Amino acid sequence: EAQVTQNPRYLITVTGKKLTVTCSQNMNHEYMSWYRQDPGLGLRQIYYSMNVEVTDKGDVPEGYKVSRKEKRNFPLILESPSPNQTSLYFCASNWDRNSPLHFGNGTRLTVT
Amino acid sequence: GENVEQHPSTLSVQEGDSAVIKCTYSDSASNYFPWYKQELGKGPQLIIDIRSNVGEKKDQRIAVTLNKTAKHFSLHITETQPEDSAVYFCAARTAGNKLTFGGGTRVLVKP
Repeated sequence: EAQVTQNPRYLITVTGKKLTVTCSQNMNHEYMSWYRQDPGLGLRQIYYSMNVEVTDKGDVPEGYKVSRKEKRNFPLILESPSPNQTSLYFCASNWDRNSPLHFGNGTRLTVT
Repeated sequence: GENVEQHPSTLSVQEGDSAVIKCTYSDSASNYFPWYKQELGKGPQLIIDIRSNVGEKKDQRIAVTLNKTAKHFSLHITETQPEDSAVYFCAARTAGNKLTFGGGTRVLVKP
């Protein structure tokens, strides 16, 4: 089954404790991206990647890091999480920048 | 950059009635307008899209209309059913291929 898999689904952590949210896709997509969803603000892009070792900032990149060492994986790293990063996070992939996004099922992060 | 506004933020309709969600965008160069549906506990899923050279597109009970002059586009759901209850997002893609989402509309279909 074609899918984007994120882990974990839920994560509660404390300020400053480094964490990684994993994302993997099995569709051989070139493009992968991370979004955060906050009430009333819709989905805002954090980072995106056009291919292995090629990444770029989205609209809200501050406080986040990403890497793309393999085509199928695109982890999101929060080196020093803060409470304002409490949000619902989605990973997405697509064939190219013009094709529809395929989203994972989300990771709900709470930073206390 | 592009700004997409979506209204209403919540919409409650009786089963069988129609639902309409409206979005406006700011960048006249935007050329692609998808709509995503997000069910509880899941990621958004594309349900319909329209390109700037088309005024209307239908797919069974859903339709999207685009008014380029006024820079707004709308999603229409007819004969609503309980499974249409979800959060809906509109989006606009600029000529630079950046996709900007609206704030979302929570639709509740009451049986």
